[in-house]
Amino acid sequence: KQEVTQIPAALSVPEGENLVLNCSFTDSAIYNLQWFRQDPGKGLTSLLLIQSSQREQTSGRLNASLDKSSGRSTLYIAASQPGDSATYLCAVSPYDYKLSFGAGTTVTVRA
Amino acid sequence: GAGVSQSPSNKVTEKGKDVELRCDPISGHTALYWYRQRLGQGLEFLIYFQGNSAPDKSGLPSDRFSAERTGESVSTLTIQRTQQEDSAVYLCASSFGQGGNYGYTFGSGTRLTVV
Repeated sequence: KQEVTQIPAALSVPEGENLVLNCSFTDSAIYNLQWFRQDPGKGLTSLLLIQSSQREQTSGRLNASLDKSSGRSTLYIAASQPGDSATYLCAVSPYDYKLSFGAGTTVTVRA
Repeated sequence: GAGVSQSPSNKVTEKGKDVELRCDPISGHTALYWYRQRLGQGLEFLIYFQGNSAPDKSGLPSDRFSAERTGESVSTLTIQRTQQEDSAVYLCASSFGQGGNYGYTFGSGTRLTVV
């Protein structure tokens, strides 16, 4: 059974600092990995999708890397802003389509 | 529509009542998924629909839970004789093709509270 772990569980940084969020998974047979953002009381917003053949994806201040062989992904958020405060979820998609989610990293960016 | 639409956004129900949650996926998305998120916990897979194939119901927690989908359109998740442990946010997602080749799009969820 796929296990997805996100470290740290919570993170508080001053505005302007770079954020590093880690995700690890136990079964490297994944189809893709997706990072989501979840605001309190809201659904999930997709941030970045990395196919298993890719090493990284970038969108604006966000960059996600994937090391499939070691079962790790890292989400970098550059120059954090208070609006980046949210819970960030990592999810892996196996060949049989069921998404396995980590418990998330709750980020607070202090103004 | 432009996104995955879920209704109602909030539902408070008395223990023992039946509830029906609705999901309207993105047009053209053949796959549809239901997930449950209990307070402070990760998302749990409930059920998966792909086109006209038999759904994967392996994540449904009990026989009080059922879901339907008509073709590649709207899906309803029904919970019968609700219990307090059913309180959670129920999230629906859709994707183009099996396995999320192009990623998944989630709705904003239905927050169910059983009192």
